[in-house]
Amino acid sequence: SQKIEQNSEALNIQEGKTATLTCNYTNYSPAYLQWYRQDPGRGPVFLLLIRENEKEKRKERLKVTFDTTLKQSLFHITASQPADSATYLCALDIMNTGFQKLVFGTGTRLLVSP
Amino acid sequence: DGGITQSPKYLFRKEGQNVTLSCEQNLNHDAMYWYRQDPGQGLRLIYYSQIVNDFQKGDIAEGYSVSREKKESFPLTVTSAQKNPTAFYLCASSPDRGRAFFGQGTRLTVV
Repeated sequence: SQKIEQNSEALNIQEGKTATLTCNYTNYSPAYLQWYRQDPGRGPVFLLLIRENEKEKRKERLKVTFDTTLKQSLFHITASQPADSATYLCALDIMNTGFQKLVFGTGTRLLVSP
Repeated sequence: DGGITQSPKYLFRKEGQNVTLSCEQNLNHDAMYWYRQDPGQGLRLIYYSQIVNDFQKGDIAEGYSVSREKKESFPLTVTSAQKNPTAFYLCASSPDRGRAFFGQGTRLTVV
């Protein structure tokens, strides 16, 4: 069956450290992989998109890697801050019978303590 | 101001009632999506649409219906056949193969 797995346990780290979140998928062949941030009671907000032919993408303190052989993406936040505390969702851009659809993982909650 | 608007923010439904959630976008995006989110869970895809007058079932379409009569609008009806409709509903739009823009969500509660 098709699955997108993210660590369901919250990740607790200290301010200033690097947070690393994992997204693993099975039985999908995504052309794109995206990461979103979601705060409680609000819609997700787009952070980064990486294509299947790209190994790494950076934006300010954020870095995403994409390994299509391992079927895994890693999302890093360097020099983390309490304001980075949120739930982070990965999403796969899938072509299904000629139609594009966006499917999400379950999300990982990040807690950054001062 | 460009964006995607969902209404209402909170909605209460009696048992056996159909309710319709509104989603409007002025971003000129072709693709639109409806997701359901339960507490502590990720987003599950209900329906999606790539063009006007066409839409596809997602992973949990049973008990829901949609229409796409205009590019800007993609309303979701939660029918009485949906046995557990209490959830947070999110609408999104995206350009072709690009990032998704989400609305603020509608929290539906069965009373």
